[in-house]
Amino acid sequence: EAGVAQSPRYKIIEKRQSVAFWCNPISGHATLYWYQQILGQGPKLLIQFQNNGVVDDSQLPKDRFSAERLKGVDSTLKIQPAKLEDSAVYLCASSFLAYNEQFFGPGTRLTVL
Amino acid sequence: AQKVTQAQTEISVVEKEDVTLDCVYETRDTTYYLFWYKQPPSGELVFLIRRNSFDEQNEISGRYSWNFQKSTSSFNFTITASQVVDSAVYFCALSDPPRDGNNRKLIWGLGTSLAVNP
Repeated sequence: EAGVAQSPRYKIIEKRQSVAFWCNPISGHATLYWYQQILGQGPKLLIQFQNNGVVDDSQLPKDRFSAERLKGVDSTLKIQPAKLEDSAVYLCASSFLAYNEQFFGPGTRLTVL
Repeated sequence: AQKVTQAQTEISVVEKEDVTLDCVYETRDTTYYLFWYKQPPSGELVFLIRRNSFDEQNEISGRYSWNFQKSTSSFNFTITASQVVDSAVYFCALSDPPRDGNNRKLIWGLGTSLAVNP
């Protein structure tokens, strides 16, 4: 069974530029999550989708971050414009409803200069 | 409010030693899930175990074992005969069961960094 796919793996941009990350969850997983993980900290949930609807986006900085999950499968997370403090690893995870164990992709390491 | 505490920030052991990672949680709910994840230097979070609150049986998987005690709100993780490949950050997490057709978010501890030295 294929795992959660993410791209790109690494991205370096300058502040005020835009960036987008892509995630393809495990087949059949209705729930998709985007996390931000700053070095030395635990994951911070940015947004949770159930199919293509948003369940929780309470910690998403909506003035600069946006996410969508069209057709309830792939998802894209965008940052526009980026700030220095957005430097982090962005993790995508998916889970099957009812068990809640989340399976993570390899992450995208973002560096904002 | 729900909370997960991993009091050990860093642990360093020599290969073949046994090591226990502590996890203490707080919740007012009677039904909940507990999880352990491993994050090796490569960065990918790896799911290790899910435990339901109504199942207090300890679990063993190879060199890994988990001790769940509701009386002390703890869900500790022991690695027996540690190996260098066990070096990673280990996270404990807590969540409610699904509600209204949606999975609930995980409440994460801050993680314990384990270094296993040869």
